[in-house]
Amino acid sequence: GAVVSQHPSWVICKSGTSVKIECRSLDFQATTMFWYRQFPKQSLMLMATSNEGSKATYEQGVEKDKFLINHASLTLSTLTVTSAHPEDSSFYICSARDRGQETQYFGPGTRLLVL
Amino acid sequence: EDQVTQSPEALRLQEGESSSLNCSYTVSGLRGLFWYRQDPGKGPEFLFTLYSAGEEKEKERLKATLTKKESFLHITAPKPEDSATYLCAVQAAGSARQLTFGSGTQLTVLP
Repeated sequence: GAVVSQHPSWVICKSGTSVKIECRSLDFQATTMFWYRQFPKQSLMLMATSNEGSKATYEQGVEKDKFLINHASLTLSTLTVTSAHPEDSSFYICSARDRGQETQYFGPGTRLLVL
Repeated sequence: EDQVTQSPEALRLQEGESSSLNCSYTVSGLRGLFWYRQDPGKGPEFLFTLYSAGEEKEKERLKATLTKKESFLHITAPKPEDSATYLCAVQAAGSARQLTFGSGTQLTVLP
């Protein structure tokens, strides 16, 4: 149980284009989902917290107009990187938390390369 | 501000050589402390949740313990497949269930 999937696992795009990453909880309902990014040899940095049916809460320094988050259902959250630039290249990881539980379960991650 | 410090940054062990990883934390009321394992290019895999000082949890060769200031992840007789980065994270009481992560300990177990 507690499986979280992400799609795609790899994406390469040109500078200026937008990229959408999906995060799904496969066997539980995720009332809260989190989006992180991770640079090489570094730990996870929280970007935003999203609750189903409400607007995401972004961490300080994260541009909400650049990283659009939608949590439209209890099993799906999406992160859209708008007008991507090379500095947005990173490893993006989502996590999900079941209702009433404290543990976050992580997806396998999406590696984004912006050329 | 919540802080998590993990040590050592990197650890190399021979197969069968037991050791411990440390996670020191400062948090305004601990709701939970979490241990994850992360393999290169993958998302973190959940290992343990500890909620109160004195609590211990075990899974195969791993045992996690918790005090009021730190947590230890003990690895008994490790195998090469235990090689990974081990991440510690804390969740503060009253927070929006957010986790604050340490920088991790990169463990290498040599055959």
